[in-house]
Amino acid sequence: NAGVIQTPRHKVTGKGQEATLWCEPISGHSAVFWYRQTIVQGLEFLTYFRNQAPIDDSGMPKERFSAQMPNQSHSTLKIQSTQPQDSAVYLCASSTRTGGAEEQYFGPGTRLTVL
Amino acid sequence: GDSVTQTEGQVALSEEDFLTIHCNYSASGYPTLFWYVQYPGEGPQLLFRASRDKEKGSSRGFEATYDKGTTSFHLRKASVQESDSAVYYCALSDFNQGGSAKLIFGEGTKLTVSS
Repeated sequence: NAGVIQTPRHKVTGKGQEATLWCEPISGHSAVFWYRQTIVQGLEFLTYFRNQAPIDDSGMPKERFSAQMPNQSHSTLKIQSTQPQDSAVYLCASSTRTGGAEEQYFGPGTRLTVL
Repeated sequence: GDSVTQTEGQVALSEEDFLTIHCNYSASGYPTLFWYVQYPGEGPQLLFRASRDKEKGSSRGFEATYDKGTTSFHLRKASVQESDSAVYYCALSDFNQGGSAKLIFGEGTKLTVSS
């Protein structure tokens, strides 16, 4: 079991450029979650999918951020026209529904730096 | 909305000291409560969870008891080791109350244990 895989581990973009972050969930897991981690805001929920369908995107900024899950083996988080305030560690997690509130397995994160 | 508050931002202890990290939550009904631990360069990983009043979660010598009366889930360990140095997050999910499966995290507590 390789765990949740996130690529790249580090990404540096210039202001105004696009950034695409990739997540490969644990095989067999039905849900994928995205979180953002900063010193100031801590760990914030962004969005999640179950069985590839978007379920809750209440944490996603209204502009420039989008997430997709085109198949069960990967999800992407895209940030258009990146701004310095988007600099953060973006964490992906996956879980398998066992009937209760689920344990989420986190990847190591992608550190995004916007210059 | 639901929220989690951790009182201590940083805790510094010596090996074999007793640890308490305070966690209080605000949510309706019976949310599931979690403690996660995060080591440098890694994503958070689950320590344990609890779903009912008076239920005790425990792992690796850490424990916490769900207290609906005081809306608390304080983390305790009788004798810390240097290897326990990490950031600890209290979190909740109201998935079992018909809510989202997302996790709502507290601010985190950085524990440093010296030998």
